[in-house]
Amino acid sequence: GESVGLHLPTLSVQEGDNSIINCAYSNSASDYFIWYKQESGKGPQFIIDIRSNMDKRQGQRVTVLLNKTVKHLSLQIAATQPGDSAVYFCAVLSGTSYGKLTFGQGTILTVHP
Amino acid sequence: DTEVTQTPKHLVMGMTNKKSLKCEQHMGHRAMYWYKQKAKKPPELMFVYSYEKLSINESVPSRFSPECPNSSLLNLHLHALQPEDSALYLCASSQARGAGGTEAFFGQGTRLTVV
Repeated sequence: GESVGLHLPTLSVQEGDNSIINCAYSNSASDYFIWYKQESGKGPQFIIDIRSNMDKRQGQRVTVLLNKTVKHLSLQIAATQPGDSAVYFCAVLSGTSYGKLTFGQGTILTVHP
Repeated sequence: DTEVTQTPKHLVMGMTNKKSLKCEQHMGHRAMYWYKQKAKKPPELMFVYSYEKLSINESVPSRFSPECPNSSLLNLHLHALQPEDSALYLCASSQARGAGGTEAFFGQGTRLTVV
């Protein structure tokens, strides 16, 4: 079955630092990898996705890197802000007519002012 | 409107009660989902509806019964639940994969406590 895991369960950074959150996956057949942010009391919020035929994708202050050789995914957040404090989940997307998400365990990011 | 609305936000029910969770979206998404999230754990898929038809049931006990009355609404009927069913129940929607859908939009969830 699908297995998605994270190397670090918690990450504390200072405001303005860059943050890197890592994730390992097991199913090489996945075609999309996605990062979600979940703030306290809210549902997960889509951050960025990357297709399996890419190795890097940039968004606003975020970059996702995909290394298919070692089945590793990372999310880089530039100039981290207190509002970035949340739980971050990586997920793999599967399914043809729908989008089934299998989430990793999550990393708690805490940004100190 | 990019919202998925779930009601109620909080629900306390006894093990003999029958209750329903409701979810609504007006983004024209044809795929809708129920996820269950226990404290400090990731969301886990329960059900998927695609074009109003049940596509996936992840071996969920029959005390959970999903219903998709139309393309905008998704319900989860609850009956004879156990205390271990206490969790955050999240509804999500997305475009169908064939329409390029990769982003799922989640509601705020219903915090369910079974007593």
